[in-house]
Amino acid sequence: AQSVSQHNHHVILSEAASLELGCNYSYGGTVNLFWYVQYPGQHLQLLLKYFSGDPLVKGIKGFEAEFIKSKFSFNLRKPSVQWSDTAEYFCAVNPHDYKLSFGAGTTVTVRA
Amino acid sequence: GAVVSQHPSRVICKSGTSVKIECRSLDFQATTMFWYRQFPKKSLMLMATSNEGSKATYEQGVEKDKFLINHASLTLSTLTVTSAHPEDSSFYICSARGVAGVSYNEQFFGPGTRLTVL
Repeated sequence: AQSVSQHNHHVILSEAASLELGCNYSYGGTVNLFWYVQYPGQHLQLLLKYFSGDPLVKGIKGFEAEFIKSKFSFNLRKPSVQWSDTAEYFCAVNPHDYKLSFGAGTTVTVRA
Repeated sequence: GAVVSQHPSRVICKSGTSVKIECRSLDFQATTMFWYRQFPKKSLMLMATSNEGSKATYEQGVEKDKFLINHASLTLSTLTVTSAHPEDSSFYICSARGVAGVSYNEQFFGPGTRLTVL
């Protein structure tokens, strides 16, 4: 069975610091990759997605992610975080059957 | 575009009663909708896949007689929690996948429904 691993459970950092969240998946075939964000009390929002093409994907709010096929990874990055980036971040993967498998999530706390 | 709504946003019910949650795709047709459950500080767990006009497909460990799913139209799926108990209290989230031409490989999420069973 495929699985999605997010390496960091809770990340605490200061404003303007750089952020990188790790995501690895175990599925060996062609997959679609997503990063979602859930702000406190709000619903899931799509940050970015990768289906094919350029492995460096740019999303909303200054986020980007890089797909490295050989490492089965899709890490999320932001060069300079803001207090408003405090949220829960979920990596998700789906293969051809369109079912999304989510990672456990990473709580990001940005201190002003 | 691609907006998904859920109703109600919050519901409190007594143990033993049934609760219906609606999931609607507002501006696109969704042949497939998904129902997830999210526990506090936890990830989303897929409960079932709802296909318009056919029976839902449940994930392993999810009781189909307890969580009734109906997908009667291309814009509406409902989840009914029957004979709810306190352990059913959770955050239920639906998502919808569009037909071809509307981000076919992407799911659009609803805002979720907070169910509290007393």
